[in-house]
Amino acid sequence: SAVISQKPSRDICQRGTSLTIQCQVDSQVTMMFWYRQQPGQSLTLIATANQGSEATYESGFVIDKFPISRPNLTFSTLTVSNMSPEDSSIYLCSAGLAYYNEQFFGPGTRLTVL
Amino acid sequence: KQEVTQIPAALSVPEGENLVLNCSFTDSAIYNLQWFRQDPGKGLTSLLLIQSSQREQTSGRLNASLDKSSGRSTLYIAASQPGDSATYLCAVPTSGTYKYIFGTGTRLKVLA
Repeated sequence: SAVISQKPSRDICQRGTSLTIQCQVDSQVTMMFWYRQQPGQSLTLIATANQGSEATYESGFVIDKFPISRPNLTFSTLTVSNMSPEDSSIYLCSAGLAYYNEQFFGPGTRLTVL
Repeated sequence: KQEVTQIPAALSVPEGENLVLNCSFTDSAIYNLQWFRQDPGKGLTSLLLIQSSQREQTSGRLNASLDKSSGRSTLYIAASQPGDSATYLCAVPTSGTYKYIFGTGTRLKVLA
């Protein structure tokens, strides 16, 4: 299994600013993903964080709005740029060992944009 | 395109009941299916992972089954307890990938 931590756990931000969320895994993992969970909704995949290369974004999500870094096999960041109230959500990081396919999730970052 | 549906959306039961949560998916070409639990305002906790070659997995009072041909999975919770109250989510990969599509979830409340 993998233990995942995220920072910050929550934040309240002003419209037009940016927030960077960190995701740390306690072991090397092949796959890391970022999800968004809007209030009362299920999870939606934002992108796959690729180590050493550009992230792979899902339809409806773009790099300018959600830049992602993954400098090594245990760490990734997601930035929510030029925030608006519609970005208020829980952002979750997940990781998986390709061989086993099981995904483990971090505790999430609750973002409120005023 | 993979679509995942969970029924019921919400469930309220007295403590001690056995219950079944359902998950349906449209594309049966999956590597696996995973069940999660989410407490309010928290992240997801992995409960059970079923590989495509398996028919069921058990962990304590939880038993998950998988019928790929019919596009269904069930999560069986035996002797439910108030601590089981949470939202239960199933997730399956999109065809040929490891990217998960999540169901809408079942919100469970177990009454003491």
